[in-house]
Amino acid sequence: DAKTTQPPSMDCAEGRAANLPCNHSTISGNEYVYWYRQIHSQGPQYIIHGLKNNETNEMASLIITEDRKSSTLILPHATLRDTAVYYCIVRVSWDDKIIFGKGTRLHILP
Amino acid sequence: DARVTQTPRHKVTEMGQEVTMRCQPILGHNTVFWYRQTMMQGLELLAYFRNRAPLDDSGMPKDRFSAEMPDATLATLKIQPSEPRDSAVYFCASGLGRWNGYTFGSGTRLTVV
Repeated sequence: DAKTTQPPSMDCAEGRAANLPCNHSTISGNEYVYWYRQIHSQGPQYIIHGLKNNETNEMASLIITEDRKSSTLILPHATLRDTAVYYCIVRVSWDDKIIFGKGTRLHILP
Repeated sequence: DARVTQTPRHKVTEMGQEVTMRCQPILGHNTVFWYRQTMMQGLELLAYFRNRAPLDDSGMPKDRFSAEMPDATLATLKIQPSEPRDSAVYFCASGLGRWNGYTFGSGTRLTVV
């Protein structure tokens, strides 16, 4: 069963903020939201994760709605190097495993 | 930056041959994963270890695949005998505890002809 729903693809102009949505309407209280990305021909790269509070690091910001049924990953100033497949993943707190879905293919346009 | 090292980067082999892929996790990381990626199936979890003990290998074809951690600095994934349908990119990842993100290697691209 898919725990998250993401659009298959998105475009964003270089220099603009890229906002990637993710629906996880069946998320439970002990499940975290993780984001990874995979640049072509590379291994996946961890970006950020959160439980219910918004989170920010040097790569991105994660905004989780109050009901936790959806979230948005924000890349504040997208560059061409941000072109990648972005995966939104829900993980139970007690489980080590990260299960990848199909993700969103983000194209940054010059 | 610390890296997960996978060898070889590329491997072409004939059907029926044994293939061994190696992974050196980041020093101090206690959790190691093996994933396989194909165009059709995407990223699939094959197996994972915590503190060198295998915890879950339900994603692995049991008859031909085996995964081991002979020591804390080496994880291996072996396919014997290999088949064309095993052609894929195999990724290793390591992490320290489940509260952080995992670091992936660059992968081994396997082609079985």
